[in-house]
Amino acid sequence: GEDVEQSLFLSVREGDSSVINCTYTDSSSTYLYWYKQEPGAGLQLLTYIFSNMDMKQDQRLTVLLNKKDKHLSLRIADTQTGDSAIYFCAESQGYSSASKIIFGSGTRLSIRP
Amino acid sequence: NAGVTQTPKFQVLKTGQSMTLQCAQDMNHNSMYWYRQDPGMGLRLIYYSASEGTTDKGEVPNGYNVSRLNKREFSLRLESAAPSQTSVYFCASVANARDRAVSQPQHFGDGTRLSIL
Repeated sequence: GEDVEQSLFLSVREGDSSVINCTYTDSSSTYLYWYKQEPGAGLQLLTYIFSNMDMKQDQRLTVLLNKKDKHLSLRIADTQTGDSAIYFCAESQGYSSASKIIFGSGTRLSIRP
Repeated sequence: NAGVTQTPKFQVLKTGQSMTLQCAQDMNHNSMYWYRQDPGMGLRLIYYSASEGTTDKGEVPNGYNVSRLNKREFSLRLESAAPSQTSVYFCASVANARDRAVSQPQHFGDGTRLSIL
């Protein structure tokens, strides 16, 4: 079945780059997403990538997709204290109303001074 | 502010009690979703409604029912609450399934924290 896996924790120093990794099993995934969840809040869509792309950059965020290895990563450049949150990787297949988004368990990013 | 509104934000129930979680969106979105979030397990889809008048089961529908009252509102009901249903519940909406990834992010409410004793 479908599965999305992430490591649970990541700690980086303020100003360094953070790289959050994710692996997925479903080769028919069409879109892959990164969401951010701050304490006490819902999820916020940060960025997404279509499965025929290798890379997408959006300001401090860079998404890399290795479709062969089913590996997705999110790089946050110049990590700030405001980046402390849980980051969820997710994938979906297709456009139909029956398609659903499968979430990983989330990576908690903490920032060291 | 436009967005997804969930009520209540917190609730404590006794085993066997019933409760309805409310969700409303004012973005004229077609599709609405209910998820539960448990520690170390990410979000799991309970039910979704692709459009007004339709509902479908997600990954973990047992013990829940839903109603898509109109285009704005999508409620989740626990008929007989069980301790295993202690969780944080999130409602989300998108304009339609096709736009979900392309131009419309999935908007989430701030969650309902439900404890069942």
